Amino acid sequence: AQKVTQAQTEISVVEKEDVTLDCVYETRDTTYYLFWYKQPPSGELVFLIRRNSFDEQNEISGRYSWNFQKSTSSFNFTITASQVVDSAVYFCALRVTTSGTYKYIFGTGTRLKVLA
Amino acid sequence: SQTIHQWPATLVQPVGSPLSLECTVEGTSNPNLYWYRQAAGRGLQLLFYSVGIGQISSEVPQNLSASRPQDRQFILSSKKLLLSDSGFYLCAWKDRDSLSGANVLTFGAGSRLTVL
Repeated sequence: AQKVTQAQTEISVVEKEDVTLDCVYETRDTTYYLFWYKQPPSGELVFLIRRNSFDEQNEISGRYSWNFQKSTSSFNFTITASQVVDSAVYFCALRVTTSGTYKYIFGTGTRLKVLA
Repeated sequence: SQTIHQWPATLVQPVGSPLSLECTVEGTSNPNLYWYRQAAGRGLQLLFYSVGIGQISSEVPQNLSASRPQDRQFILSSKKLLLSDSGFYLCAWKDRDSLSGANVLTFGAGSRLTVL
């Protein structure tokens, strides 16, 4: 099976707290890509990061950091010192190749509420 | 620059009526195009994808169909809507992120369909 699981449906934190969003994936591909997208209340999805299956280096971008662990098939996303503007639904996605075409498989999303 | 347009933005339709949602992409040629549906609390479900004119792959058997009559046009249709067709429909194309250069999915603003 090829799928993405985001077990956390909704998380609420108080501003300035750190929060980690979990993502676990399954794929039979040896080469694949993982993504995180943010969906603010406006509805449009915004690309945050892409990671390929051969690069397990963690990445930090400002208050955002990503932890990719191939051994546990996880690609977790941490927001440090959360802000109210971080409130959104966050989607983890997996890109696999099927018959030479890219397919993007999304998780069910985690709704993050950051309270002032 | 490349942009993606979806319309209509909002639609309220009675059960049994037809549906046509349109998506067009500007500034590129031969894009891979995708239709996703986001139902309440259910994440993003891949419905159809297309690698070229007249080439449609269906992911989930259902009441919907897709067509690609022109290179940069992707249409989602139904002959008779069901209540369960309500949701937020997102068109996307495989783009290249301007900062990282990575291939990513870029989404339109979405079409919100309510079937009554």
